[in-house]
Amino acid sequence: NAGVMQNPRHLVRRRGQEARLRCSPMKGHSHVYWYRQLPEEGLKFMVYLQKENIIDESGMPKERFSAEFPKEGPSILRIQQVVRGDSAAYFCASSPAGEDEQYFGPGTRLTVT
Amino acid sequence: ELKVEQNPLFLSMQEEKNYTIYCNYSTTSDRLYWYRQDPGKSLESLFVLLSNGAVKQEGRLMASLDTKARLSTLHITAAVHDLSATYFCAVDFTSGTYKYIFGTGTRLKVLA
Repeated sequence: NAGVMQNPRHLVRRRGQEARLRCSPMKGHSHVYWYRQLPEEGLKFMVYLQKENIIDESGMPKERFSAEFPKEGPSILRIQQVVRGDSAAYFCASSPAGEDEQYFGPGTRLTVT
Repeated sequence: ELKVEQNPLFLSMQEEKNYTIYCNYSTTSDRLYWYRQDPGKSLESLFVLLSNGAVKQEGRLMASLDTKARLSTLHITAAVHDLSATYFCAVDFTSGTYKYIFGTGTRLKVLA
């Protein structure tokens, strides 16, 4: 059973471009969470999704950031018009149900130049 | 406000010594997780603590949970260099949405 998969692992974008980060949850998991880790800091919750539903987006910046988890395919975290402050590691986690332990993916390291 | 605090933030210790990392959290929870992170890597799950008084051990690491004190400890016994990493605790403040609140992390360096 493959673990949580994220791609790309490393992403470089210039200021103003768009970044798309993908997360494929573990097989049988229908709950997905996105976290952001700034350098030298802990992970901060961004958004919690189930298939076709955003359950909690209280950690998402109000502008430029969006997330989806369609019926088919991976979950996508989209950052429009990236700025240098968006440079971070973005981790996805998944669980079978909300109350179950979350399993983390390898992360996508975004660098904005 | 939901807060999770760890101390110390940095820990430099000699091999074969013992030490404890503390994780305090702000409100009721009975789900706490410990992770290890190596530089540039993802999180490795160490322990899952799901009830008051839970104690788990793996090798030189032992974790415990006191839900009444809102405190978890990660005890390191006879440290070795391979334990050098950053350790995070995370709390699931069950409130209908299951987001983890992470502590600030403890960067551990074991000196040979």
